[in-house]
Parts: sequence; C-alpha cells; structure tokens
Amino acid sequence: DAGVIQSPRHEVTEMGQEVTLRCKPISGHNSLFWYRQTMMRGLELLIYFNNNVPIDDSGMPEDRFSAKMPNASFSTLKIQPSEPRDSAVYFCASSLGTGITEAFFGQGTRLTVV
Amino acid sequence: GENVEQHPSTLSVQEGDSAVIKCTYSDSASNYFPWYKQELGKRPQLIIDIRSNVGEKKDQRIAVTLNKTAKHFSLHITETQPEDSAVYFCAASFPPNTGNQFYFGTGTSLTVIP
Repeated sequence: DAGVIQSPRHEVTEMGQEVTLRCKPISGHNSLFWYRQTMMRGLELLIYFNNNVPIDDSGMPEDRFSAKMPNASFSTLKIQPSEPRDSAVYFCASSLGTGITEAFFGQGTRLTVV
Repeated sequence: GENVEQHPSTLSVQEGDSAVIKCTYSDSASNYFPWYKQELGKRPQLIIDIRSNVGEKKDQRIAVTLNKTAKHFSLHITETQPEDSAVYFCAASFPPNTGNQFYFGTGTSLTVIP
C-alpha cells in the first residue's frame, strides 16, 4: 500500500480564492482525520470521519472550512474563501478505527495564501 | 474533547545524554498513547505507543511510561544521537462507539548537540 496520499503537496493561492485539498486514506482504514499544523498551535484536529460519516467537526475553525468524504477512499477539505491566516500545513491521517491502532499520516499539503 | 499538554516545547541535550518529554491528558477514558516523531519537512511517524493496561514499554533507546492515576505519560530517549533531532508529539486516543480519535500535544523540538 502506498500509504495515505494527499494532493497537492504545495498550494499557493490568492486571498479570496477557493482551495480544495484531497486525501486518499489507506485501503481498509475506517477512520480519517484532517489536521492543521502551524508553529503557534501545533497539530490541531479539524475534523474526524468514521465510516465516511463526520463524527466530530468541532475543530473546524469557521464556516469557510468544509470537509466531505463521499466514499471510503476519498476525502476533501475545502476553504472558501481563503485568507492569509489559513496558511499552514494540512495533514490527512487514517487509522483502522476498530480497537486501538495508530494513525498514519499523509505527506501533507503546504498551503500559502497570499 | 480531550486536552493534551506537552512539556517542554524545546529541549537541547548533548549527544549521549538522555532526553525526557512529558505529557498530561484530561480524559480518563483515553486508553492509547502514541508518540510521533516529525523530522523537518516530513510527516509525523509513530515511534512508540503504550496502552492503558501497561505502565512501561521499551524499544531499544526509547521508552514510554504511563501513570493512569495522575494522567501523565512520558517519553525517554537514552544515549541520544544527532539523528534524534526532530519534533516529538504525544497523543491521547480513546475509542468512543465510532472509532478512535487522536488528540495531539503541541510538540517538543529536540536538538541533540554533537
């Protein structure tokens, strides 16, 4: 398995534009997580899906952020409109979701909003 | 949700010395405590984990201890080497009815001085 795959690896966009980040979890994993990493706040859990259903989205900063998981092999995180303070590295992670198992991280998407 | 606190935020040690990173958690339901290492520009990767029915676990130069009563857990690295330099994250996870959730500490930047 190639692991958790995220795209794009880097994204530079202008303020006000829509940004869509993509994630393909490891096959067979039931849980998927979106994290945002900044120097100031570390790794923040944004949203968590289990069996494609959003379970906890309390970490989503505001209505400009939305996430979907239309099937077990694909998830998106969308920011509309984007703002400079959204600049960060966004990680997607997946885990088996049954029992106590580790989370595997993707390579991350470095987002810069100018 | 869970609240995980991690200390110190930065740590410098001489090569060959030991390094200790401490974390506390708030939710007594948490029962899985992984530690991740993140090298510069890379994804976090699991280095060791401990479950709540175990007090201590060791893997070569790294060990983790858990005190459930006090809700503390710690990472110990002995005989540190320059390649141990990285950011280390602790996490706490509990399995509600719908899979696991992972909450991370804010990270410790470890520098091993040759």
